[in-house]
Amino acid sequence: GENVEQHPSTLSVQEGDSAVIKCTYSDSASNYFPWYKQELGKRPQLIIDIRSNVGEKKDQRIAVTLNKTAKHFSLHITETQPEDSAVYFCAASSHWNSGGGADGLTFGKGTHLIIQP
Amino acid sequence: KAGVTQTPRYLIKTRGQQVTLSCSPISGHRSVSWYQQTPGQGLQFLFEYFSETQRNKGNFPGRFSGRQFSNSRSEMNVSTLELGDSALYLCASSLYMGNEQFFGPGTRLTVL
Repeated sequence: GENVEQHPSTLSVQEGDSAVIKCTYSDSASNYFPWYKQELGKRPQLIIDIRSNVGEKKDQRIAVTLNKTAKHFSLHITETQPEDSAVYFCAASSHWNSGGGADGLTFGKGTHLIIQP
Repeated sequence: KAGVTQTPRYLIKTRGQQVTLSCSPISGHRSVSWYQQTPGQGLQFLFEYFSETQRNKGNFPGRFSGRQFSNSRSEMNVSTLELGDSALYLCASSLYMGNEQFFGPGTRLTVL
């Protein structure tokens, strides 16, 4: 099955600086890569996703890049703000798999992003 | 549009009991997935339902089961509870299988 590794486990950056979180995946059949943000005591929220036919996607201060050859994808947050403090999870799945269905999301272990004022 | 809802939000059970958790997806969403979140193992996929059929299953024992109703609402059941089943159980809905998943607030299950 799929295995997703996420680094670093904790990331502390100064407010206004950029943050980068990296993930690698093992299954070359994976073709969908979402990122979720989870604040303490709250549900994971989808912040951005990318499919394997795209190399990069941006949404305001957030961007995701995908390198299919190396099987890694990264989340970039620019001009970080205090409200960016949270745990970020990357995930991977195969949409669609050989059985005609979609696999469940396989998540990384999460990155605790701390924005220092 | 209302988000994904889950009931109950908190549950305390003892070892050996069984529990049923409920998930109502976003209106119009037909796929419901279930995940277990623990500090040690993180977020792990349990199963996914679409059109009242389990379409995909993660690596959990048979004590974990689920079902989906014709209105897309889903339930998951855990029988013979173990201490290690203590976790936050999250459901996520999507329009169809393979689309973006949106999570509910979760049910916090504590097994004593």
